[in-house]
Amino acid sequence: KAGVTQTPRYLIKTRGQQVTLSCSPISGHRSVSWYQQTPGQGLQFLFEYFSETQRNKGNFPGRFSGRQFSNSRSEMNVSTLELGDSALYLCASSRGRPGELFFGEGSRLTVL
Amino acid sequence: DQQVKQNSPSLSVQEGRISILNCDYTNSMFDYFLWYKKYPAEGPTFLISISSIKDKNEDGRFTVFLNKSAKHLSLHIVPSQPGDSAVYFCASASGNTPLVFGKGTRLSVIA
Repeated sequence: KAGVTQTPRYLIKTRGQQVTLSCSPISGHRSVSWYQQTPGQGLQFLFEYFSETQRNKGNFPGRFSGRQFSNSRSEMNVSTLELGDSALYLCASSRGRPGELFFGEGSRLTVL
Repeated sequence: DQQVKQNSPSLSVQEGRISILNCDYTNSMFDYFLWYKKYPAEGPTFLISISSIKDKNEDGRFTVFLNKSAKHLSLHIVPSQPGDSAVYFCASASGNTPLVFGKGTRLSVIA
């Protein structure tokens, strides 16, 4: 059974640009969550989607947005990139069991 | 406001000994707790969980203990193996709220 797939794995952008990250969940999983991991900050929750609806949203500025498609695939977008957005962005899918998330390998974004 | 705290950024343990990773939380509404393990260049993987109605859960070499009155949980690994070297994250939530993660503890098991 294929795991959670995230693309691209690595990318470099400059300040002011925008970026779109993609996530394909495990087949049958309808919930997709996004987390940002930075050194010393652990995993910070961005948003969660379930059946194309945003179910929860973390404390991030409006430059961070996401969506989920009918096939459960999800994208997140960060506009007007800042140096502080450099991080590992992790996507996780869930089959509904409380808390048990299946993470992808992440997309490492570097903003120069 | 950090709701889940892992106060030890790192821990070194000899192979064969017990590793004890600690986690404190502040939100009394949390009703389930999980531990995740993360290797470099990989996403976190679920390790073990416990609900608030229990005080202990075992899975092989891994045991999680929950002390609700102290708002404290711990992960015991016995015996520790070099392959256990990773970053361990504690996470908590209630109902359908998103998981709140600690900042992680880097465990090094020395052969």
